[in-house]
Amino acid sequence: GQNIDQPTEMTATEGAIVQINCTYQTSGFNGLFWYQQHAGEAPTFLSYNVLDGLEEKGRFSSFLSRSKGYSYLLLKELQMKDSASYLCAALDSNYQLIWGAGTKLIIKP
Amino acid sequence: GAVVSQHPSWVICKSGTSVKIECRSLDFQATTMFWYRQFPKQSLMLMATSNEGSKATYEQGVEKDKFLINHASLTLSTLTVTSAHPEDSSFYICSAREGLDSAEQYFGPGTRLTVT
Repeated sequence: GQNIDQPTEMTATEGAIVQINCTYQTSGFNGLFWYQQHAGEAPTFLSYNVLDGLEEKGRFSSFLSRSKGYSYLLLKELQMKDSASYLCAALDSNYQLIWGAGTKLIIKP
Repeated sequence: GAVVSQHPSWVICKSGTSVKIECRSLDFQATTMFWYRQFPKQSLMLMATSNEGSKATYEQGVEKDKFLINHASLTLSTLTVTSAHPEDSSFYICSAREGLDSAEQYFGPGTRLTVT
């Protein structure tokens, strides 16, 4: 079956760095997305990786290893506004998104 | 960038009535639209996938006679919750993509439905 695993909740300190991991098993693979979702709002796009390696975009970076079925989202210089849920989603062979349950990130001052 | 709108943003209805939610792609043609439901503190759950001009494909466990989806044009899809019950209260989110093999989905802002 298809499955996405990510931690349920993480806590970090303002100004610090946090890494949110995601492992996936899908029928075929066409890329890995990370979305940010604040409570009561729709997800917003953060990153898309289809090739192995690290992609950096400002304070956020995303890494993919296709051979390991593994990705992580790295958030640097954490700000209070980064408190949100972070959703990992893999695109399968039918171009359907398979969603993880999301990681709730709590930022403490 | 690609923009998807939803209307209404929130709605309260009485049990037994029907509610229609619209999803529009404002600046692109959406070959495929997706409807998701999200309960509090849970992840997105795909309800159905619809391609313009054809019947929607529903996920297992989603009643197609209760959640009517129409994708009549390349810019509009509607979800109608028929005979709504309090357990249908949820956050409904649509997303759209341009091509059948396009990777990215663009999300609407969501519709909060409360059934009393």
